[in-house]
Amino acid sequence: GENVEQHPSTLSVQEGDSAVIKCTYSDSASNYFPWYKQELGKRPQLIIDIRSNVGEKKDQRIAVTLNKTAKHFSLHITETQPEDSAVYFCAASLYSGAGSYQLTFGKGTKLSVIP
Amino acid sequence: NAGVTQTPKFRILKIGQSMTLQCTQDMNHNYMYWYRQDPGMGLKLIYYSVGAGITDKGEVPNGYNVSRSTTEDFPLRLELAAPSQTSVYFCASVYTGTPTYEQYFGPGTRLTVT
Repeated sequence: GENVEQHPSTLSVQEGDSAVIKCTYSDSASNYFPWYKQELGKRPQLIIDIRSNVGEKKDQRIAVTLNKTAKHFSLHITETQPEDSAVYFCAASLYSGAGSYQLTFGKGTKLSVIP
Repeated sequence: NAGVTQTPKFRILKIGQSMTLQCTQDMNHNYMYWYRQDPGMGLKLIYYSVGAGITDKGEVPNGYNVSRSTTEDFPLRLELAAPSQTSVYFCASVYTGTPTYEQYFGPGTRLTVT
């Protein structure tokens, strides 16, 4: 089955700096890569996702890049703010349009933005 | 829409007891999932369902059972609770008929087995 590795496990940055979280996946057939943000005691919420036919996607201060050859993808947060402090999870999935659709999650990165 | 709702929010069980975690979604999503999240870990898939009457095992199904008699409801049953089942349980759903594959999560159930 799919295996997703996520690094680093913790990350501290100064407010205004950039943060980068990296993930690798094992199954070359995976074609969908979402990132979820989970605040303390809350449910995970999707912040951005990318499909295998796209190399990069941006949404305001957040961007995700995908390297299919190397089987890794990264989350980039620019101009970090204290409200970005949370645990971030990457995930990978094979979605074929028929049959099962399962996400395999990384173990998470705890991001702390220091004011 | 209420989205994905879960009950109870918290529960303490004694070893060997049983309980059902309830999950309901009102978005007419076809796929539903149960995950567990242990401290400092990611989410692990317990069971999932691709539609009413169809369920399948995920990565960590032992000690759990599910049913899906309606599109809206996907209860998770714990039989003979063990301390290893202490965790936060999240239910999620997704509609696979649109271009987006976003899984919507419920608020979670924090379960402690002592």
